[in-house]
Parts: sequence; structure tokens; C-alpha cells
Amino acid sequence: AQSVTQLDSHVSVSEGTPVLLRCNYSSSYSPSLFWYVQHPNKGLQLLLKYTSAATLVKGINGFEAEFKKSETSFHLTKPSAHMSDAAEYFCVVRRYGGSQGNLIFGKGTKLSVKP
Amino acid sequence: NAGVTQTPKFQVLKTGQSMTLQCAQDMNHEYMSWYRQDPGMGLRLIHYSVGAGITDQGEVPNGYNVSRSTTEDFPLRLLSAAPSQTSVYFCASSSSGGAVETQYFGPGTRLLVL
Repeated sequence: AQSVTQLDSHVSVSEGTPVLLRCNYSSSYSPSLFWYVQHPNKGLQLLLKYTSAATLVKGINGFEAEFKKSETSFHLTKPSAHMSDAAEYFCVVRRYGGSQGNLIFGKGTKLSVKP
Repeated sequence: NAGVTQTPKFQVLKTGQSMTLQCAQDMNHEYMSWYRQDPGMGLRLIHYSVGAGITDQGEVPNGYNVSRSTTEDFPLRLLSAAPSQTSVYFCASSSSGGAVETQYFGPGTRLLVL
């Protein structure tokens, strides 16, 4: 069975400092992994996705994530945080078996950015 | 394209009432799904559909019904609302259920059951 674990429920950084949001996955198969962002009272927006083409995945708004099979991790990073990055971030894995369209969400990491 | 639209944005129900949450997409996507979001739980799949006339249960289907009579619409019905169904509901769609397909989410419906 597939699952994702987001290791921090809340991360706080200062504007201009690096962001690291941690995600570990569990999958018997080569996983399809995603990061989604949700700004307050908004829907979810895809930041980036890993589909085995490259281990370092670049997304929108300067975010990127690295797939590390040996560590079963897919951490999200950004070199310099901006106030507009304050939001909740979800690490997601695609479910295998049945409909492959089904997504399994982590519990989310709330990112706060201090001025 | 409007993308994925949901109505209403907010609804208050009394226990035992019924209602339908509407979801529509104009991208000709085959795959549509409903999730609920609860604090500290992430999003959990309620029901999904791989095409018109085909639906299946997700992780938390109890208390909800769905149908898919057209490609565009995928309504979610609460037959007898319960306080445990207080949540934010998101509809999503993708062109197929394939492993690499991006799912597009609607803005959500916030439901309060008293």
C-alpha cells in the first residue's frame, strides 16, 4: 500500500531564508509523487510532480523537490522564502491498484513566513 | 475555460437534511473525484468516476452518493446530513486516471452541519 508522511505539521521561516518541507513516502511500486499548495480559503494548486523522468523536479514559484529512492523521501525546497509562500503544503502519492487516478494525501505542513 | 467549478461555496444544514454539492468541469476530463478536507487529516477520497455512467467508492464513502450522467458534471449527494460531515469538500478532475496526470481542483464547498 502507498502512503506519505509529512514530518512537520508546521514550519516557520523568515523571509529570504531557505524553505524545507519534508515528506517520506511508502510504495511497493515506482511512485508518482506530487506537491500541492493551498493558500488560505483557496483550492489546491499543483506545485510539481515526479514521474520518474528526473530525480530533481522543478516546480512553479521557485520550488523544487528531489526524489531520493534510497531515503524514500521527496522533500520540497525553496532557496529564499517570500511572504506569499505562506500556505499549507501537501505531499501526495498516486494510489496503485484500482483506479490509478486516486490520490493519497499527507496531513499537510503549514508554512509561516515572518517578515 | 472556467476549469473546475463548485457550488455552493458555503452551506449550513441541519442534521437529517439532504443536499447536493455541484461540481462541473469544462475541460472534457474523463476522471472526476470528490475529496473532503478535515483539519490535520489532509484530503480523503469520497467517490470517483472514470467516465460517464461509471462511479466507484473511495476511502470514506459512507453517507454520500454520486452519479455521473454527463462528462461535465459530478454531483455529490448527502442523503441525511450528520455533524460528522461538517468539512470542506473539493472536486477534482483530470483527463484520465493515469499515473502521471495532473488533477485540477475546484475552489471547494464549506459545509456546516448543525
